[in-house]
Amino acid sequence: DTAVSQTPKYLVTQMGNDKSIKCEQNLGHDTMYWYKQDSKKFLKIMFSYNNKELIINETVPNRFSPKSPDKAHLNLHINSLELGDSAVYFCASSQRTGGALLTDTQYFGPGTRLTVL
Amino acid sequence: GQQLNQSPQSMFIQEGEDVSMNCTSSSIFNTWLWYKQDPGEGPVLLIALYKAGELTSNGRLTAQFGITRKDSFLNISASIPSDVGIYFCAGYYGGSQGNLIFGKGTKLSVKP
Repeated sequence: DTAVSQTPKYLVTQMGNDKSIKCEQNLGHDTMYWYKQDSKKFLKIMFSYNNKELIINETVPNRFSPKSPDKAHLNLHINSLELGDSAVYFCASSQRTGGALLTDTQYFGPGTRLTVL
Repeated sequence: GQQLNQSPQSMFIQEGEDVSMNCTSSSIFNTWLWYKQDPGEGPVLLIALYKAGELTSNGRLTAQFGITRKDSFLNISASIPSDVGIYFCAGYYGGSQGNLIFGKGTKLSVKP
């Protein structure tokens, strides 16, 4: 069974469009994340939700809006897509253990490759 | 802002050889994490280090949290073909905003 799943796996779209990427985890975790990995493989955290509450919000353009309808889902909506948004977006989940935030073992999804033309 | 220097950028080794890679920073971190990413997959956590000087092993992998808290290294002993992938270090210095920084990765290739 897939632990962290993302849809779609590939997304090709035109500049200016609005798109969403969905993420679901069946691990029973209470924390979910979105990461962006650029063409040079540089990985950067974007958002984190714990029990549907936003706890990390990096310096990300307002065009990116995460939405967590429940603990098992964290979707990423992107408005007015730009060329620079092209990247692989990874969703991840973890269970809070009471230690320092972001040091809990995170389980990553397979990624969504977004290409903006 | 915070940056991690990870080296080497890539390595091309023979099966059976040992591998060493490291990350350094001008800033102090409270936690060091090492991930491996296979092609087309998400990163997988290999080792987490929480205290300066800590040395932790996971099978053939060994990682250390530098005494100065500004560096960490990962060793892989007796490499095998399935070790190929990109290895990332990540440093975390507490709090919630902007505090998990990733290195740029070390791409490992192993010749059978």
